[in-house]
Order: sequence, then structure tokens, then C-alpha cells
Amino acid sequence: NAGVTQTPKFRILKIGQSMTLQCAQDMNHNYMYWYRQDPGMGLKLIYYSVGAGITDKGEVPNGYNVSRSTTEDFPLRLELAAPSQTSVYFCASGGQNSNQPQHFGDGTRLSIL
Amino acid sequence: EDQVTQSPEALRLQEGESSSLNCSYTVSGLRGLFWYRQDPGKGPEFLFTLYSAGEEKEKERLKATLTKKESFLHITAPKPEDSATYLCAASNYGQNFVFGPGTRLSVLP
Repeated sequence: NAGVTQTPKFRILKIGQSMTLQCAQDMNHNYMYWYRQDPGMGLKLIYYSVGAGITDKGEVPNGYNVSRSTTEDFPLRLELAAPSQTSVYFCASGGQNSNQPQHFGDGTRLSIL
Repeated sequence: EDQVTQSPEALRLQEGESSSLNCSYTVSGLRGLFWYRQDPGKGPEFLFTLYSAGEEKEKERLKATLTKKESFLHITAPKPEDSATYLCAASNYGQNFVFGPGTRLSVLP
């Protein structure tokens, strides 16, 4: 029973490099989300998707991009990594509408040096 | 602006010492209030959803309640394994979930 799977678990990037954080869910959920979590702060929504081919910005989208070509996958792309993007990134999926609870992966811990 | 705050920031209890965590929200058009538990190095784990004022949900030593402005997570006779960060989140009709910063609970044996 995999649920939401995120890869990689840890990554160190140099300033200016790019990378893609992978997220896959096997619960056939329409809704998927990307958050970042900084120490002492709540989860901040980066992007979300209500279904394949549909994405929208959340509270903190600058410096990130997403795509949703299938129901299962929702990758997050970081272009030109900056130290401010050092954080823990969580992917979540959540049912058929925004009133359903979200189920989270175990996160990707990203450091930009 | 939609906002969720939680108090206290951290709470230390002795095993068996009951207490409550607070979640205050200002959300236009609340659809649901969610409680999650987060262990170190892990993603949040869903506990409860509350949809309307007066609603209560229980699971083992935890009980969540909801008013028009706040939600409480009551912990009865906690055990050390209840130690975690507890997050609450509010969803609105704009597809958004707004998370609070969490309460770090430590239960000492």
C-alpha cells in the first residue's frame, strides 16, 4: 500500500542548478499538492492540481514549475536553485475535491549551497 | 486573508496528564477543519476532519472539537508515543488548504 511516494529523499544542489522532485500516488486521487515546510512555519502551498492537465499556483509559486500529464504523477521543477529554496518539500494527494483530507509523502529534504 | 494559528507552540506533559491544543482560524467560507500528526522526518498523517460547528471526532486518546472560530484537540491520559507535532489546517471554497505552524507535544514517561 504505497500511497504517496516522493523521490529523492535528500538532495544537495549548488546555486543555479536545476532539478525535478518526483511525486507519485496510487490512490486515483484527482487533487495533488506541493508544499514546502520551513522550521517553525506552517506548510506553504506551492502549486496544486485538480486533475491531469490542470495546474494552478498556490501561495509561494515563484521559482517553481509543475506539470500533470497523468493522474498518478505530479513532478515539481526547480529552475536556477537559490538558497531561499532550501526546505523540506512535501507532496500530497487528496480525493475528488478540496474538502477531502490530504495524504502526504515523507518529503524531500533539499539544501541549496 | 485566510489564517490559521495554533497554541501553544510547544507543550510538555507528564504521562497521564490530560491537556488541549488550540487551533484558531479566520477563513472565508470554511469547508473543513483538519488535524494531522507529524513525526520527525515524516510527512503529516491525517487524524480528523470536522465540517461544522459542534461536531466532535474521537480516536483513541484524541478528541477533536470545532466551534465557529476555533478547534481543540483534547488529549486524554497521553502516553509517550503521542509525542509529535500536531498540525491543523482549514480548507475554503477556493481550493486552498491553510496550515497552522503546529504544536510540538512532548509526553514524558
